[in-house]
Amino acid sequence: TQLLEQSPQFLSIQEGENLTVYCNSSSVFSSLQWYRQEPGEGPVLLVTVVTGGEVKKLKRLTFQFGDARKDSSLHITAAQPGDTGLYLCAGAQTGANNLFFGTGTRLTVIP
Amino acid sequence: SQTIHQWPATLVQPVGSPLSLECTVEGTSNPNLYWYRQAAGRGLQLLFYSVGIGQISSEVPQNLSASRPQDRQFILSSKKLLLSDSGFYLCAWNRLAGFADTQYFGPGTRLTVL
Repeated sequence: TQLLEQSPQFLSIQEGENLTVYCNSSSVFSSLQWYRQEPGEGPVLLVTVVTGGEVKKLKRLTFQFGDARKDSSLHITAAQPGDTGLYLCAGAQTGANNLFFGTGTRLTVIP
Repeated sequence: SQTIHQWPATLVQPVGSPLSLECTVEGTSNPNLYWYRQAAGRGLQLLFYSVGIGQISSEVPQNLSASRPQDRQFILSSKKLLLSDSGFYLCAWNRLAGFADTQYFGPGTRLTVL
């Protein structure tokens, strides 16, 4: 069962544009993480959000955790070619030993 | 600092051959360890996780098995590979045993079954 759905699945934009990636679920999570993965490498953690309604900023990236802790979004301002990659959200649930990963969003930023 | 290693980096194997992928973690003790498989450009499918030596939980019935002979060593195996076993295999660990904390991933193994 896929607990976390990401949208869009694929996104191709021009350098300088803004974009938002969504991570949605019907389940509640104790925390939610965003990872970025480049081809041929393992995912690397970008941020962890733990409080409903929390907003975190990492340079041009803004992450938000939904009030009900069921969803999250990642907004990138003025995208750059270096932002290209696969973005994965992952949720943690109390009592579970593993994270539940989303379906992924493949972002391509065209120079 | 902690580091995680996987080998081999790439592997091409014929159908029906055995498989052994190894993952080791340095700089920490008693980590949770995970094996994932990833189809091209897609999300991660959890295959196995382990909270301690000899303790393996399987998430998906399949042709693969896992073992944890030492605290910081996790091995993914198969007796006979199938075409459908092709993919990118990732090992990961986290710091708090028994808790779904941030996961740190290895560089991965690209497996092609022909």
